[in-house]
Amino acid sequence: GAVVSQHPSWVICKSGTSVKIECRSLDFQATTMFWYRQFPKQSLMLMATSNEGSKATYEQGVEKDKFLINHASLTLSTLTVTSAHPEDSSFYICSARVQGPDTQYFGPGTRLTVL
Amino acid sequence: KQEVTQIPAALSVPEGENLVLNCSFTDSAIYNLQWFRQDPGKGLTSLLLIQSSQREQTSGRLNASLDKSSGRSTLYIAASQPGDSATYLCAVTYSGYALNFGKGTSLLVTP
Repeated sequence: GAVVSQHPSWVICKSGTSVKIECRSLDFQATTMFWYRQFPKQSLMLMATSNEGSKATYEQGVEKDKFLINHASLTLSTLTVTSAHPEDSSFYICSARVQGPDTQYFGPGTRLTVL
Repeated sequence: KQEVTQIPAALSVPEGENLVLNCSFTDSAIYNLQWFRQDPGKGLTSLLLIQSSQREQTSGRLNASLDKSSGRSTLYIAASQPGDSATYLCAVTYSGYALNFGKGTSLLVTP
């Protein structure tokens, strides 16, 4: 149980285009999902916290107009990287929080390469 | 911002050795602490989760301890194997919030 999926697992796009990444909790409902970013040889850094039905909360330094987050249901959150640039190339990982034990389950990640 | 520090940054050991990875955090008011494994280019695998009220957790050859008052945790790996080679991440959470990750310890176990 407690499986989180991400789609796509990798994507290559041209500079200036937009890319959407999906994060799904497959067998549980997640009121809160988190989006992290990991640059090469760096640790995971929180980008934003996404609560179902409300606007995402972004960490300092993360542009909310560039990284659009939608959490329309209890099992799906999406991250759209708008007007992507090469510096946005990174590994994006989502997690879904399970209340009660207050633990998080991580997706397998999406590797984005912007040419 | 809460800081999580992992020492050493990298470690190379011969197969069969027992080893200890260290994690420290600045704010001791944590809700829980997790150790993860990350293989190159891959996502995270949760190894052990220690709630703030617990002192340690064990799974197979892995044992993680938590000393909340001193802001420290250790991950002990017994009888290391080449398949243990990976980056090990320590992360703390403060109830309801996202995890704060350390930069990880890159482990190489040589045959």
